[in-house]
Amino acid sequence: EAGVAQSPRYKIIEKRQSVAFWCNPISGHATLYWYQQILGQGPKLLIQFQNNGVVDDSQLPKDRFSAERLKGVDSTLKIQPAKLEDSAVYLCASSLEPGGTQYFGPGTRLLVL
Amino acid sequence: DQQVKQNSPSLSVQEGRISILNCDYTNSMFDYFLWYKKYPAEGPTFLISISSIKDKNEDGRFTVFLNKSAKHLSLHIVPSQPGDSAVYFCAGSSLLAGGTSYGKLTFGQGTILTVHP
Repeated sequence: EAGVAQSPRYKIIEKRQSVAFWCNPISGHATLYWYQQILGQGPKLLIQFQNNGVVDDSQLPKDRFSAERLKGVDSTLKIQPAKLEDSAVYLCASSLEPGGTQYFGPGTRLLVL
Repeated sequence: DQQVKQNSPSLSVQEGRISILNCDYTNSMFDYFLWYKKYPAEGPTFLISISSIKDKNEDGRFTVFLNKSAKHLSLHIVPSQPGDSAVYFCAGSSLLAGGTSYGKLTFGQGTILTVHP
């Protein structure tokens, strides 16, 4: 069974630029999560989707971050414009159902200069 | 407000000995706890979990203990192996209204475990 796929694996941008990350969850997993992991901290949930609907985006900085899961499968997370403090690893995870075991992708490491 | 804390940034143990990783939480609503393991350049992988109705859960070499009164949980690895060297995260969650699923995970900051041959 293929795991959660993410791309790109690494990205370096300058502040005020925009960036987008892509995630393909495990086949059949209805719930998809985006996490931000800053160096030295644990992952922090940014947004949770159930199929193509948003369940929780309470910790998403909506002035600069956006995410979508249009067809209930793949998802993209966008930052526009990026700030220095956005430097982090962005992890995507999926689960069969809400509250189920979450399976994580390898993450995208973002560096904002 | 850090609701889940792992106060030891790192732990070093000898192969074959016991590794004990600790985690404290402040949110009284948490009733489900998980441990994840993370290797470099990989995403976290689920290791073991425990519900608040239990005080111990065991899976092979891994045992999680929960002390609800102290709001403390620990992960024991016996015997430790070099392949166990990784970052370990604990996470807490609470049962959602309806009682059939758990809400979002709140992670601690992680403990780096190094097991020496």
